[in-house]
Amino acid sequence: GPKVLQIPSHQIIDMGQMVTLNCDPVSNHLYFYWYKQILGQQMEFLVNFYNGKVMEKSKLFKDQFSVERPDGSYFTLKIQPTALEDSAVYFCASSRGANTEVFFGKGTRLTVV
Amino acid sequence: QQKVQQSPESLIVPEGGMASLNCTSSDRNVDYFWWYRQHSGKSPKMLMSIFSNGEKEEGRFTVHLNKASLHTSLHIRDSQPSDSALYLCAARASSGSWQLIFGSGTQLTVMP
Repeated sequence: GPKVLQIPSHQIIDMGQMVTLNCDPVSNHLYFYWYKQILGQQMEFLVNFYNGKVMEKSKLFKDQFSVERPDGSYFTLKIQPTALEDSAVYFCASSRGANTEVFFGKGTRLTVV
Repeated sequence: QQKVQQSPESLIVPEGGMASLNCTSSDRNVDYFWWYRQHSGKSPKMLMSIFSNGEKEEGRFTVHLNKASLHTSLHIRDSQPSDSALYLCAARASSGSWQLIFGSGTQLTVMP
């Protein structure tokens, strides 16, 4: 089936440093998402993105977070600077339409030390 | 922001038994429900979606939706140990916000 690829699978970073999480969405998908999940708990919505713009973001999407997808490249989540509470698994997802199935990547496990 | 409530938090059923999971949205604008399954350490995978009142069956899995009460349920018959996973209900409004909001999940364990 369609695959969303996330790179890297694990990342350990010092608190205060910048980190960029990369996502290669399904090729014909137009809607992109980032979710945060701590220790197999609730999947929490961070942000959705369409047509080059952030459409909606949650309270978890702090000012230190940013997303972009330059043409033909990865959909990225950047955190600058990182904090200890940013440690979690970050899932990227994409869908063809606003109400079609959302496909998830395998996640990037981010550990901030 | 809409809330999606799932119950129970955890469920243990014997192999071959029936597992019933519940999900309710508190947002009257919600029109679409999805059920995802997430095995430990893996990404969520969609199991079933339901957008209309009534019931939908695919193999051992059946979902029900009551739009008046914004309640959906997932039933797994002849449960197998491989069904052991976190089951996530997700909901989305039909207009305005298209956030896909997840509940906190039901951890299902099927005992051999």
